[in-house]
Amino acid sequence: NAGVTQTPKFRILKIGQSMTLQCAQDMNHNYMYWYRQDPGMGLKLIYYSVGAGITDKGEVPNGYNVSRSTTEDFPLRLELAAPSQTSVYFCASSPTRPPDTQYFGPGTRLTVL
Amino acid sequence: QKEVEQNSGPLSVPEGAIASLNCTYSDRGSQSFFWYRQYSGKSPELIMFIYSNGDKEDGRFTAQLNKASQYVSLLIRDSQPSDSATYLCAVRDNYGQNFVFGPGTRLSVLP
Repeated sequence: NAGVTQTPKFRILKIGQSMTLQCAQDMNHNYMYWYRQDPGMGLKLIYYSVGAGITDKGEVPNGYNVSRSTTEDFPLRLELAAPSQTSVYFCASSPTRPPDTQYFGPGTRLTVL
Repeated sequence: QKEVEQNSGPLSVPEGAIASLNCTYSDRGSQSFFWYRQYSGKSPELIMFIYSNGDKEDGRFTAQLNKASQYVSLLIRDSQPSDSATYLCAVRDNYGQNFVFGPGTRLSVLP
């Protein structure tokens, strides 16, 4: 049982490049989330999904896109990377029933230069 | 705009003392409340969850919830240097879909 996995761990992008951050979970959770965390700050929700085929925007969705074709996978797409997207990105999943805590992946540290 | 507020700290306590971390939230309909610990460079890990008014104890940790005051706290007894981390308060919204996180309180336990 691997929990929530994320790839890559680190990435450096040039301004204007695009990339996809991968996230997978093997706990059969319906809910999945993408957060970004800037240095010294809390977690900001980018997008979330309540099940395969269903996604919705969070607090800071601009510059990102998501898809959810399976229960297990929830990739985050960055289009036209900007320095403001330099951050640590965390993927998380949670069950629908209590205890409905979130389980976090190890994070992806992204730098846009 | 649903908000969760915490003192950013740093909160410094001597080893063996009680550390008290506080959190207030704006969404009166919130039903689920969580405390996460985050070490520098690591992902958040769950410490406690609480759903009902009152206290919930787990080892050295006690979570306290007061829905009327929209207030949740975490007490850490016999604080250890290994407890030094940022503590994030999270609230699940009334629809049961989204979590709103506070900015975190940085705790430093001094040997």
